[in-house]
Amino acid sequence: DAKTTQPTSMDCAEGRAANLPCNHSTISGNEYVYWYRQIHSQGPQYIIHGLKNNETNEMASLIITEDRKSSTLILPHATLRDTAVYYCIVRAEETSGSRLTFGEGTQLTVNP
Amino acid sequence: DTEVTQTPKHLVMGMTNKKSLKCEQHMGHRAMYWYKQKAKKPPELMFVYSYEKLSINESVPSRFSPECPNSSLLNLHLHALQPEDSALYLCASSQAPQRDILYEQFFGPGTRLTVL
Repeated sequence: DAKTTQPTSMDCAEGRAANLPCNHSTISGNEYVYWYRQIHSQGPQYIIHGLKNNETNEMASLIITEDRKSSTLILPHATLRDTAVYYCIVRAEETSGSRLTFGEGTQLTVNP
Repeated sequence: DTEVTQTPKHLVMGMTNKKSLKCEQHMGHRAMYWYKQKAKKPPELMFVYSYEKLSINESVPSRFSPECPNSSLLNLHLHALQPEDSALYLCASSQAPQRDILYEQFFGPGTRLTVL
């Protein structure tokens, strides 16, 4: 699976959009971009994933560049409960069990 | 029910003890996972079970012994652990992988293990 690079930490004001970048310059054609987050003392939680097109769900939006070498997770109206470590993961399909290889992630702190 | 439960929440054990961690899900998932997470580090995959068979062992020491007695349960048996094995142990489940389809993993809250 391709390696990802994320900023170590970011801050965001409550109610504003949080834009979390991820670089994955070695991504290959069959690899998806996944985002998970981990709130302190909890297990990771799936947020969203995409291959080529931008995706949106009730939690967030995922913007993938045309060359697929980077992506941005957008939390449109961040709340204090969104304070967490956000992991960008690139993974390929497998038929014998799916690996999730977590990088160091970005610690997002939402401030009142 | 979209919950993965893990018991116990906390466990303290000595290096000569034998203990087990338990994970349960009732989402009909046929893939289950064990991860280990050290403080301030990301989770690391240990084992993957697919259709109750071990499909991935990430070169985990034999003092960790996984077991999947049925499609809803996953155990991790611990024996002769070392203090450096102290960590948060996370269980996850997902639908079994299929060609061209990757499924999200649902994680439990973890068991915080301390080895004295």
